[in-house]
Amino acid sequence: GENVEQHPSTLSVQEGDSAVIKCTYSDSASNYFPWYKQELGKGPQLIIDIRSNVGEKKDQRIAVTLNKTAKHFSLHITETQPEDSAVYFCAAVYYGQNFVFGPGTRLSVLP
Amino acid sequence: EAQVTQNPRYLITVTGKKLTVTCSQNMNHEYMSWYRQDPGLGLRQIYYSMNVEVTDKGDVPEGYKVSRKEKRNFPLILESPSPNQTSLYFCASSLWGAGGPGEQFFGPGTRLTVL
Repeated sequence: GENVEQHPSTLSVQEGDSAVIKCTYSDSASNYFPWYKQELGKGPQLIIDIRSNVGEKKDQRIAVTLNKTAKHFSLHITETQPEDSAVYFCAAVYYGQNFVFGPGTRLSVLP
Repeated sequence: EAQVTQNPRYLITVTGKKLTVTCSQNMNHEYMSWYRQDPGLGLRQIYYSMNVEVTDKGDVPEGYKVSRKEKRNFPLILESPSPNQTSLYFCASSLWGAGGPGEQFFGPGTRLTVL
């Protein structure tokens, strides 16, 4: 089955710097790649997603890139702010229905 | 307000005592899913459902059952809970069109402890 790896597991950046989180997946059939942000005590919330027919997508300070050949996708957050501190999860959806998540990255934005 | 609700939010039970965690969504979503979250493992999908009476196994279905008799409800059933099912459980729902899934909305979570 699908396997999703995510790095780094923890990331600390200074406020205003950029943060990059990388994920790799194993199944070339995967065609949907969402990113979720989870704040303490809450359920995950979608922040951005990308489908396999697109290489890059941007939404204000957040961007996602997808390299289908290498089977990896990355989350980029620019001009980080303290409220960006959270746990971030990537996921890959394969066979059109099954979600497989990475283990998560704890991002800390230091003031 | 569009939302996914789960009940109970917290539950402590004993090994072998059957329990049900309810999940309901008010967004008319086709797709519903259950996940468990454990430290260092991220979220793992237990079961999912594409529509009424259509359910399928995720990556960790052992020890769980689900049913989808109505579009809005997707209960998770543990018929004989064991301590290794102690975890944080999330229900989620989304639209699912020809292009695949839409935004997946998560419930607030149910923290289950099995003694």
